[in-house]
This record gives sequence, structure tokens and C-alpha cells, in this order.
Amino acid sequence: NAGVTQTPKFRVLKTGQSMTLLCAQDMNHEYMYWYRQDPGMGLRLIHYSVGEGTTAKGEVPDGYNVSRLKKQNFLLGLESAAPSQTSVYFCASSYSWPPGDREGTEAFFGQGTRLTVV
Amino acid sequence: AQSVTQPDIHITVSEGASLELRCNYSYGATPYLFWYVQSPGQGLQLLLKYFSGDTLVQGIKGFEAEFKRSQSSFNLRKPSVHWSDAAEYFCAVCNSYGNKLVFGAGTILRVKS
Repeated sequence: NAGVTQTPKFRVLKTGQSMTLLCAQDMNHEYMYWYRQDPGMGLRLIHYSVGEGTTAKGEVPDGYNVSRLKKQNFLLGLESAAPSQTSVYFCASSYSWPPGDREGTEAFFGQGTRLTVV
Repeated sequence: AQSVTQPDIHITVSEGASLELRCNYSYGATPYLFWYVQSPGQGLQLLLKYFSGDTLVQGIKGFEAEFKRSQSSFNLRKPSVHWSDAAEYFCAVCNSYGNKLVFGAGTILRVKS
């Protein structure tokens, strides 16, 4: 059982380049989330999805797009990378909301993608 | 607006000493509260959670936390810290109708031998 897998784990981009981060979960979870983690700021929600084919904006959505074409995958895209998007990106998934209200429904996190934009 | 404050950015304790990490939240509705731990280069792992009932909750790895509504706090404690507890700890809050976990800025725990 792989849980939540993020690809790639590290990436360096030049300003203006584009890329897509892939999050895959094998737990049949409905909810998926993308967070960014910056020093001293904790994790901030970028976008989330409550099911296949749905997406919604989180706290800091500007400069990012997402897609959830398949239930198990949640893609985060940067169309034109900026140095301010240098961060560690975490994907998470949960069976339901709120995560953890029943046994086995807690949110699971991937290991992160460290992105540097130069 | 929902917010979570972890007042201590860094804490250093000696191995075997007790630990308390502070968390205060600002929330208009009944909160659901969580503590997560992040080891270097890893994702977040759930330590414990509070939804309702007994305000003292037990978690994994010997951690516990107490919900105090009057103080809007959910402090994490451990009676005796081990070197393997060195990590970053995050407090988080959500409610039943939103779709967002709000995280604090985190507390980095260092354990000295």
C-alpha cells in the first residue's frame, strides 16, 4: 500500500518555465489537497478537490492550476514559475471530511516536492 | 477568520525531560483539533486529534494533548522526551463544514543528550 505518492521529489525551474506536480493515492479517497510549506508559515492550502472532476481554490491559489480527471490523481500546475513559488509542496488525501472523524479516515500526506525557481 | 498560533518557533529539551508545545486557536465554531509531526524530509504524520468528549486525548508515541475551551488552547505534552522525537510539530484546526485544515507555523523540537 503506497499511500500518497508525489512526483517529482525535487525540481529546479527557471523563471517562466512551466511544470506539473503529480499526486497519486491508492486509498480510494474522495478528498485531495495541495499545500505549500514555507518557513515560519506552516502549511497553506493552495487548491483542493472533493471528488473526481471537482476542484476548488484554497488560501493561496494564485499562479497555480489543478485538475482531478481521475479519482486517484490530483495534478498541480505552474504555468509560469516565479521565484515566489519556491517552496515545499505537499499533497494530502482523506476519505471524508473532517479528516479523522472516524477510525481510518485521517488525512495522509505525501513526502513532499521541493521546488526551487531561479 | 480561523487561525492557529504556535508561539514557540524552536524548543530545546534534554532527553528524558518533559515537553509541552503550545497551541492557541481562533475559531468561531466548534473546532476539530489536530497535532501532526514532520520528521526531516518526510510528510506529516497524525499524532492525535480532538473532536469531542474527553478533553485529554492520547496519541501515538506517548504524546497527549488537552483541549481547554476557556483558553482556546490545545497543548501537546510528553512526560519524557526521546532523541527520536526531534522533529517539527504542527497544530491544526478545522470544522465540520469547511474543507480546509488551518495549520500553525510549527514548532521545531531539538533534543539534547
